[in-house]
This record gives sequence, C-alpha cells and structure tokens, in this order.
Amino acid sequence: ETGVTQTPRHLVMGMTNKKSLKCEQHLGHNAMYWYKQSAKKPLELMFVYNFKEQTENNSVPSRFSPECPNSSHLFLHLHTLQPEDSALYLCASSQESQGQPQHFGDGTRLSIL
Amino acid sequence: DAKTTQPTSMDCAEGRAANLPCNHSTISGNEYVYWYRQIHSQGPQYIIHGLKNNETNEMASLIITEDRKSSTLILPHATLRDTAVYYCIVRVESNDYKLSFGAGTTVTVRA
Repeated sequence: ETGVTQTPRHLVMGMTNKKSLKCEQHLGHNAMYWYKQSAKKPLELMFVYNFKEQTENNSVPSRFSPECPNSSHLFLHLHTLQPEDSALYLCASSQESQGQPQHFGDGTRLSIL
Repeated sequence: DAKTTQPTSMDCAEGRAANLPCNHSTISGNEYVYWYRQIHSQGPQYIIHGLKNNETNEMASLIITEDRKSSTLILPHATLRDTAVYYCIVRVESNDYKLSFGAGTTVTVRA
C-alpha cells in the first residue's frame, strides 16, 4: 500500500475511444505527476501539477489531457490514441519541499487496439 | 543534468548483503541522490535518499563517497522479494520535482 491508488489497473481501448485514468493520493501531498513507461524504455515524465496548477508539460501530444481538480486527485483523459501509446501509465505524488521523495501508484496498463 | 551510471544487472545470494553501485560524477552540490526500485508489474517504490551523509532506514543503507561522485545502496539481507530493477537518480537541478529515470540495475536474488 503506497498511498497512491490508480484505476483502472488494466485498460484496453480502440483508437477512436475516449477513456480516463484516475489517480488518488491519501498522503496529503500537494504535487502530482503522470509518467509513461513503455516496454524496455525508462520512465518518461509527462505532466506535473503543483497545488492543482500544471507546472510541467513534457511535450506530450494533445490526445493526452490531464486534469487536477484538487490536490488529491489527478486524471488523464485519453482520446484518439495510437498503438504506440500502449504503455504503463504511472501516477506519483510528493510534498512540495526540496528533497521529498515521490510515491508511485502501481499504474494502469493501457493497450490500444 | 547530472547523469548516473549503473551496472545493467547483478545477482546476489539470498540472505547476503547486496551492494549496488552508482556513479554520478557530474553531480552538483545541491543535488540529492535517490534510490527507487520497481518490482515487476508494480510502480516504482522509494527506498532512500541522501545529500552528503550516509543514510539508513528500515529498507537499506546509502553510502555516499566524500566527493559525492558515487554512491552504494546496501540491502543488508537480500530476500527473494528484493528481486527488482533498482534506479539510482540524481534530481534534476533546474526543477525540484523532476526525477529522471535511467535503465537501472536488474537485481536477481537467488536462493
């Protein structure tokens, strides 16, 4: 139990579908992150939210749309995805303070048909 | 950004100490060294971090050389459940919140 919960754990969708990934943290943190982990590649940072404000967009295509309604919840809205978007999507949270570690959820395994 | 270099893989015996090396020769004075691990089908798990001094917690010990150009993560009594990919990360100086993951070291603990 890491304190960061992601749902669903697995998702299969077609390229024309719209779906959303959800992340919830129970740690009282004020920064939240989305990462992408493709097969045999290092984790790639996608988005950073700090106090609900997006502070980082790491050149992510617009078919990925994040939403952070409050410091405990983070969503990743997906639409018109491509097969190369199949990956493990990981959410993390941390306390805004230098040196504080990030805590990760177990991810959503996404497969695009 | 300070880069890290880790061995691709290593084996260790169950019950023995596992010493995982990491080189970060370009580390800046205010950059921390973090260690995470990722067990198959799970998200990365934070292990430990440090700036200058050696650190110890319930999971591991972190030994940082005096010049801070390298460090060693020590798992004192490796178990089969410690089999994972271990990442040594130096936090990007320009942003307090970024973690830049490399390929890590695949550690296999054998009975």
